[in-house]
Amino acid sequence: ETGVTQTPRHLVMGMTNKKSLKCEQHLGHNAMYWYKQSAKKPLELMFVYNFKEQTENNSVPSRFSPECPNSSHLFLHLHTLQPEDSALYLCASSQVKDYRDNEQFFGPGTRLTVL
Amino acid sequence: SQKIEQNSEALNIQEGKTATLTCNYTNYSPAYLQWYRQDPGRGPVFLLLIRENEKEKRKERLKVTFDTTLKQSLFHITASQPADSATYLCALDFGGFKTIFGAGTRLFVKA
Repeated sequence: ETGVTQTPRHLVMGMTNKKSLKCEQHLGHNAMYWYKQSAKKPLELMFVYNFKEQTENNSVPSRFSPECPNSSHLFLHLHTLQPEDSALYLCASSQVKDYRDNEQFFGPGTRLTVL
Repeated sequence: SQKIEQNSEALNIQEGKTATLTCNYTNYSPAYLQWYRQDPGRGPVFLLLIRENEKEKRKERLKVTFDTTLKQSLFHITASQPADSATYLCALDFGGFKTIFGAGTRLFVKA
């Protein structure tokens, strides 16, 4: 496989469920990202990992918990979500060095619906 | 306050014409500006990047301009085709890990 893959592509969960989203990048990049995209809104950056270390957490509620076991895999653990958390969750990766440009490669996303 | 603005209204154009999309920003000083294409239900795909010291960049039928004085970027698709129909996102790139996206402009190209 090439590029950035995400599973599952679609997820429906109740507010009391616990689930996880998975992202894998096959590009040898050193940074991985989680974004939330709600209808007609800009992508909202949630978390950034650089070489497995979290470098950014944009005031995301604790019901979202990221995990980066290595530089190729990224997880987003979900628990006690709210209906307003329903959105497209996008994973991206990039090769970042010396504060140069940051072209990002996105996965297809997970469409999450919280009932 | 800091803002990135793209045309919120959809842009409808006829096949063969040039589509021009606008990205304006305030109270930011990005080092680079990027444009992405996003199809429904898919992740964004990188198209072009332009640096703050570049005025214009081209790639095939695409052209991007970047005016740091006006704080504006224009994205042009020449000889547009129905397959160009998508949402186009501009993104301010500050180098490193920080990239801020606009909400996007929906483009429809009619045959």
